[in-house]
Amino acid sequence: DAKTTQPPSMDCAEGRAANLPCNHSTISGNEYVYWYRQIHSQGPQYIIHGLKNNETNEMASLIITEDRKSSTLILPHATLRDTAVYYCIVTGANSKLTFGKGITLSVRP
Amino acid sequence: GAVVSQHPSRVICKSGTSVKIECRSLDFQATTMFWYRQFPKQSLMLMATSNEGSKATYEQGVEKDKFLINHASLTLSTLTVTSAHPEDSSFYICSAPSSGGAYNEQFFGPGTRLTVL
Repeated sequence: DAKTTQPPSMDCAEGRAANLPCNHSTISGNEYVYWYRQIHSQGPQYIIHGLKNNETNEMASLIITEDRKSSTLILPHATLRDTAVYYCIVTGANSKLTFGKGITLSVRP
Repeated sequence: GAVVSQHPSRVICKSGTSVKIECRSLDFQATTMFWYRQFPKQSLMLMATSNEGSKATYEQGVEKDKFLINHASLTLSTLTVTSAHPEDSSFYICSAPSSGGAYNEQFFGPGTRLTVL
């Protein structure tokens, strides 16, 4: 699986958009970008995934650059409950998930 | 969305005893489940892939005789930590791929915190 690089942490104000970056410059053509998050002492939660096109669901939006070497997860209106570790994972369609260190998002009141 | 449960949520045991952790898919069938381990302040590490009707596949460095996995049915996988020692104390989490969705759109259980005294 391609390696991903995420900043260790970031914060944002409640109600504002949180833009979480991820670099995956070695991604191959058949690999997807997945985002999960883990709230403290809980199991991870699937957020969204994409291959080439931008994706949006009820939780977030995923913006993938045209060259697919980086992506951004957008939480449009962050709340205190969005404070968590967010993992960007690049993997093939039927491959296993490999979790890196992720980025710790702190949402401040 | 689909729900995965784990039991127990927390267990404390004495060194040398065995501990069984259950992972259930509550409203969908899972021919494959995954077991992860997470030490404090670290990320999740995949331990093994549990396959219904066949042997589990273990990741490199994970002792299969110590971490016994049984995928008894399409909704249940169990992980038994045999002869547990303090260094086995960790947060154990299972997951299962969604049925009808992408393989890696996985549903995770809430985790089991094991403390070995």
